[in-house]
Amino acid sequence: AQSVTQPDIHITVSEGASLELRCNYSYGATPYLFWYVQSPGQGLQLLLKYFSGDTLVQGIKGFEAEFKRSQSSFNLRKPSVHWSDAAEYFCACTGRRALTFGSGTRLQVQP
Amino acid sequence: DAGVIQSPRHEVTEMGQEVTLRCKPISGHDYLFWYRQTMMRGLELLIYFNNNVPIDDSGMPEDRFSAKMPNASFSTLKIQPSEPRDSAVYFCASSLTGASTEAFFGQGTRLTVV
Repeated sequence: AQSVTQPDIHITVSEGASLELRCNYSYGATPYLFWYVQSPGQGLQLLLKYFSGDTLVQGIKGFEAEFKRSQSSFNLRKPSVHWSDAAEYFCACTGRRALTFGSGTRLQVQP
Repeated sequence: DAGVIQSPRHEVTEMGQEVTLRCKPISGHDYLFWYRQTMMRGLELLIYFNNNVPIDDSGMPEDRFSAKMPNASFSTLKIQPSEPRDSAVYFCASSLTGASTEAFFGQGTRLTVV
């Protein structure tokens, strides 16, 4: 069975600082991996996805993520956080079944 | 395209009442998913359809929950009778070519059962 772990429930960073959100997956083969963002009262918006090829993927809003097979990880990064990035971030994976989501990481941005 | 459209956005109902949530997927998308989001359990897949046919309903919590997709542009999730523990945000999502591709989410229906 596929599963996703996001070890950080809540992260606070200062505006302009760099950001890394952790994600580990469990799946028998190479999964498809996604990061979604959810603003309060809104649905989920796709930030980026990894299917195959280059292990460093670029997404919207200046986010990127790196797939590391050896560590079963797909961490999300941003070099300089903006106040508007405050939201909840979900990592997800899938093989043949529908998306399985992690528990989410809530990002707070300090001025 | 307007995206995935869910209605209502908010629903408050009394315990024991029937609740029906509605979803219109993105036109041309063959897959439709229903998820439930709660603080305790996060985002859970309830059921998904391919070409209007239910493929996996193993996430439906119990017989009080049912979902239908009578045509490619409409799906419903029904809870009968509703209970306070059903209070959650219910999301509908659709995808173009498969369960393994990116899903586009609606804005959700916040259900409160009192």
